[in-house]
Amino acid sequence: DAKTTQPPSMDCAEGRAANLPCNHSTISGNEYVYWYRQIHSQGPQYIIHGLKNNETNEMASLIITEDRKSSTLILPHATLRDTAVYYCIVRVAGGGATNKLIFGTGTLLAVQP
Amino acid sequence: DTGVSQNPRHKITKRGQNVTFRCDPISEHNRLYWYRQTLGQGPEFLTYFQNEAQLEKSRLLSDRFSAERPKGSFSTLEIQRTEQGDSAMYLCASSSGTGGVWDNEQFFGPGTRLTVL
Repeated sequence: DAKTTQPPSMDCAEGRAANLPCNHSTISGNEYVYWYRQIHSQGPQYIIHGLKNNETNEMASLIITEDRKSSTLILPHATLRDTAVYYCIVRVAGGGATNKLIFGTGTLLAVQP
Repeated sequence: DTGVSQNPRHKITKRGQNVTFRCDPISEHNRLYWYRQTLGQGPEFLTYFQNEAQLEKSRLLSDRFSAERPKGSFSTLEIQRTEQGDSAMYLCASSSGTGGVWDNEQFFGPGTRLTVL
């Protein structure tokens, strides 16, 4: 699976949009981009995933560049409860590929009141 | 509560002792994963079950580690002759999928924190 690069930490003001970047310049055509987050003392939680089109769900939006070498996770109105480590993961899906997740060190998002 | 549960939540043991952790996945999930997480790092994959079959094991899973899922429901992870380097959070996750169908979302439990003195 391709490696990802994320900034180690970011701050965001409560109520503002949080934009978390991820570089995955070696991503292959059959690899998806996944985002998970881990709130302190809890297990990771799935947020969203995508292949090449932008995706949105009730938690966040995922913007993937046209060349798929980078992506941005957007939390539109960050709250204090969004303070967590956010992991960007690229993963081959289907066709007997491994189902495991390969986590990096992620981005610690601190939402400030 | 219908989420993934893990027991115990905390375990303190002395070096050389054996420990066993239990994971109860979401009831309809046929896939189960174990991960290990040390301070400041992301979780690292240990092993994966589909039903009762252990389909993948990481090189991190030394001979002292063994995992089972005897009836395709709950799973246990045993560490024999614990070492201080085994101190970590052990996370279990489950998902649903069959054959080559991949899972979009893995649901994680709260983890078991192991401290080896």
